[in-house]
Amino acid sequence: AQTVTQSQPEMSVQEAETVTLSCTYDTSESNYYLFWYKQPPSRQMILVIRQEAYKQQNATENRFSVNFQKAAKSFSLKISDSQLGDTAMYFCAFSRLEYGNKLVFGAGTILRVKS
Amino acid sequence: GAGVSQSPSNKVTEKGKDVELRCDPISGHTALYWYRQSLGQGLEFLIYFQGNSAPDKSGLPSDRFSAERTGGSVSTLTIQRTQQEDSAVYLCASSAQGFPGTQYFGPGTRLLVL
Repeated sequence: AQTVTQSQPEMSVQEAETVTLSCTYDTSESNYYLFWYKQPPSRQMILVIRQEAYKQQNATENRFSVNFQKAAKSFSLKISDSQLGDTAMYFCAFSRLEYGNKLVFGAGTILRVKS
Repeated sequence: GAGVSQSPSNKVTEKGKDVELRCDPISGHTALYWYRQSLGQGLEFLIYFQGNSAPDKSGLPSDRFSAERTGGSVSTLTIQRTQQEDSAVYLCASSAQGFPGTQYFGPGTRLLVL
């Protein structure tokens, strides 16, 4: 079974600075998808960024980028120029290439952006 | 357009009662998922529907849990004889296709069993 580990329960960062959230996973699959979701206090889960394992290039979305190290099974999220609105719980998630592609989530990291 | 909606937003019930949670997916999305978010277990997959295919029920924690999806759209998650350990936030998500579509989540239903 696949597992996703987020080793940082809580992180804080000053506004405008950069922060990196860690995620490791375990799988025997060679092709799969990895995601970072954000959950603000409103509870709405929002997709931040997605990475296909077969792509060597790291995904980027504006201020958000990932460092995908397939051999190390590591998938970290870097947030540049942090904003107060980035305050949320961040979940790393894994999906096999299978019917349904149900998500397996990590425990989450609470990120607080301070002014 | 409208996102995934869920109702009720919050539900308080007494132990032993049955509850129904509703999910309206994004129009046109053929895949629908239910997840549970609890303090002790984190985020867990419960069930998956894709079109008219048989659902993947592999994540349902007990036979007290069931779900249906009518007309390929609205879904209802039913919990019978609720227990205190059922207290959690129940999240619904939909995607335009089962794979590898991005899942879009609703705001969830917070269930409290007293």
